[in-house]
Amino acid sequence: DTAVSQTPKYLVTQMGNDKSIKCEQNLGHDTMYWYKQDSKKFLKIMFSYNNKELIINETVPNRFSPKSPDKAHLNLHINSLELGDSAVYFCASSQNRGRYEQYFGPGTRLTVT
Amino acid sequence: DAKTTQPPSMDCAEGRAANLPCNHSTISGNEYVYWYRQIHSQGPQYIIHGLKNNETNEMASLIITEDRKSSTLILPHATLRDTAVYYCIVRVGDSGYALNFGKGTSLLVTP
Repeated sequence: DTAVSQTPKYLVTQMGNDKSIKCEQNLGHDTMYWYKQDSKKFLKIMFSYNNKELIINETVPNRFSPKSPDKAHLNLHINSLELGDSAVYFCASSQNRGRYEQYFGPGTRLTVT
Repeated sequence: DAKTTQPPSMDCAEGRAANLPCNHSTISGNEYVYWYRQIHSQGPQYIIHGLKNNETNEMASLIITEDRKSSTLILPHATLRDTAVYYCIVRVGDSGYALNFGKGTSLLVTP
């Protein structure tokens, strides 16, 4: 059973479109995260939710909006996609926001043309 | 969170021990040392973490110096599948929140 899953794995779309990436974890964890890995391979936090409550919102354009319908899901919606949004997006979860290890999903490679 | 310094790349022969160093000279007393790795095109994978004492699990050992200013991740018998980028991350244990990934060390295990 996959612990943290993301869909889709690949997403190719045109500038200006709106798209969503879904993430689900079956570990019973309270905290979920979205990270972005750019072309230079730097991995940076975007958002974090704890029990459906937003606890981290890094300097990310307003076009990015996370939504957590329940604590097992954290989806990422992106409006008006730009070329610079092309990256790999990773979802992760941890038992809670303490010193616990994070489990990462396989990533979603987004390409904006 | 304290800043870490790692060599950009290392090589290791298959079957030998891989020793990956990390310098964190500004670490605070309540900051933990975490190690993650990222195998090409996959999500990062947790390896091990520690505060003061040396730690060992099924994947690796973590050796933290007495002054806690540096640490070493040891993969006792490296295999080709251990080729990956290894990240040393220091953060306050109870702050929760995100991991701050640096550039890491790219480890190449050769036959």
